[in-house]
This record gives sequence, C-alpha cells and structure tokens, in this order.
Amino acid sequence: GDSVTQMEGPVTLSEEAFLTINCTYTATGYPSLFWYVQYPGEGLQLLLKATKADDKGSNKGFEATYRKETTSFHLEKGSVQVSDSAVYFCALSNFNKFYFGSGTKLNVKP
Amino acid sequence: EAQVTQNPRYLITVTGKKLTVTCSQNMNHEYMSWYRQDPGLGLRQIYYSMNVEVTDKGDVPEGYKVSRKEKRNFPLILESPSPNQTSLYFCASSLSYQGGHEQYFGPGTRLTVT
Repeated sequence: GDSVTQMEGPVTLSEEAFLTINCTYTATGYPSLFWYVQYPGEGLQLLLKATKADDKGSNKGFEATYRKETTSFHLEKGSVQVSDSAVYFCALSNFNKFYFGSGTKLNVKP
Repeated sequence: EAQVTQNPRYLITVTGKKLTVTCSQNMNHEYMSWYRQDPGLGLRQIYYSMNVEVTDKGDVPEGYKVSRKEKRNFPLILESPSPNQTSLYFCASSLSYQGGHEQYFGPGTRLTVT
C-alpha cells in the first residue's frame, strides 16, 4: 500500500542554519504531496503542497520539489528561525485517502 | 471564522463505556476525515467521508464507527473503547476528496481509556 517515510528526529539547529528534512514515498498512480506543521498543543496546518511531478511548493521560506524519479519531497529552508520550532509531517493523498509520515521534530536554538 | 471544532478536547473513560467525539466544520467542505496520532507513528487515517452518507475505511478502522448525516458534522463513535484506543484524535475537512486540496484540522481530542 501507499506510505510515507521521513527522517527521524529530533533535528536541532542553530538560528540561521540551513534545514533539510527528507521525505520519500511509495504510491501507485499520481499522488499529491504535502508538508504540514504542528505547533505544540495545536492541530496540523498546511505548510506547502505539490500536485504533480516537478512542481515546487513554497511558503514562508520553506520549499519542496515533487521528484517522481526519486519518489521524494524533501523540505528545505535556507535560514531557520526559533519560531520554526515545531513538528513537520510529510503526507500524500491518493485515491481519496491520506497517508502521513511519522513526523520530524525541529528544535531551533537562538 | 472558518474552522473545524471537536468536542470534547480531553476525555478520560473506562474500558467498554461507549463514547462519541463530535466534529463540525463551517466551510461547506465535502470531505471529512478522522485520524489518530501516536508517538512514532504519525497520523493514521481511521475513516473518511467524501460527502453526506458516503463513508469509507481508512488504514485503522477497527473499533471505530462514523456517520455523516449532515454535511457539516462527522462524529466518531467508539462503541466499546479499549486501552489501545488511548490516543490523540484529529478531525479534518477539505473542499473536495480530489487530490491537492488542503485539509483543515481541528484542535484535537486527547482520549485516555483506562
């Protein structure tokens, strides 16, 4: 069946460091891909999405490119801030269902 | 304000005592879904609904029931809760079941079954 695998956390970075969180997927057909962010005590919020191969999603300085050849959707940000500390989830939707990765906790230190 | 609401936010109950967690959205969304979040497992889809009276199983439906009698409401029912259903539950909705539409999540319901 479909699935999403993302890198284990936690990831600890200093402010202004470069961020990469790896995400790979297994799916039949043509899934849509998402990154969601969860702040403590809250529900998930959409960070960015891509609906077809080679699409790049971007929002608030975060970017991810839908790579069908490597079945990947890695999240990147050039310069993280303390306020980016949260849990990040990679997800896919396919044939009416949604699949989430296990989440990666990001800690950014001043 | 566009939102998904869930009630209760916190619930402690005992094994076997039937409970319902309500979910309501005010965005006229067609698609609604329930998830459970467990440490190290991320979110797993329990049930989803593509529209009124249309529901289907997600990845982990055992022990749960749902109904969609109105577009805005999608309650989750645990007929006989067990301790392995202790978890954080999220309801979500999106405009359509077709891929690419953003899901809006409720604030979560933390359930403890003793």
